[in-house]
Amino acid sequence: KQEVTQIPAALSVPEGENLVLNCSFTDSAIYNLQWFRQDPGKGLTSLLLIQSSQREQTSGRLNASLDKSSGRSTLYIAASQPGDSATYLCAVEGQGNLIFGKGTKLSVKP
Amino acid sequence: NAGVTQTPKFRVLKTGQSMTLLCAQDMNHEYMYWYRQDPGMGLRLIHYSVGEGTTAKGEVPDGYNVSRLKKQNFLLGLESAAPSQTSVYFCASSSGFPGPGELFFGEGSRLTVL
Repeated sequence: KQEVTQIPAALSVPEGENLVLNCSFTDSAIYNLQWFRQDPGKGLTSLLLIQSSQREQTSGRLNASLDKSSGRSTLYIAASQPGDSATYLCAVEGQGNLIFGKGTKLSVKP
Repeated sequence: NAGVTQTPKFRVLKTGQSMTLLCAQDMNHEYMYWYRQDPGMGLRLIHYSVGEGTTAKGEVPDGYNVSRLKKQNFLLGLESAAPSQTSVYFCASSSGFPGPGELFFGEGSRLTVL
């Protein structure tokens, strides 16, 4: 059974810092991996989608990498801003399901 | 751009009552999903649909029923609500499954069962 773990559960950084969020999964037989952002009381917004054949995806200040063999993905946020404060979730798409991690709650202090 | 719309956004039920959550998407997506999100448990898949007229069980289907009579709508029903079904429910849709399947979410429906 696929399990997705995100470490750390919470992270607080000063504005301007570069940071890395981690996601690990137990079954490497995945079709893709997605990173989402969730603001309090809101739904999830897709940030980046990495297909199983890809190693990384970039969107603005965000860069996500995927290493299927080791079951790991990282989300790199450059020059963090207070507006980046949110919960970040990763999800892996496998056989008939999308399994989510429990998220990392990020707080960026001005 | 409506995307994925859920109604109602908030609802309070008494134990044993029934209700239906409606999800509507305007992106012509084939795949639709219902998730529940609970503190410490993350997002868990309840039911999903891979096209009009189809439904399938997810990770936590007990106590819920679904229907996909029209491509754009996916209904989640609770026949006899229980306090354990207090949660935030999210609907999502995607163009394909398995990948590439970027998922689009609604803003959630907060349900409290007393």
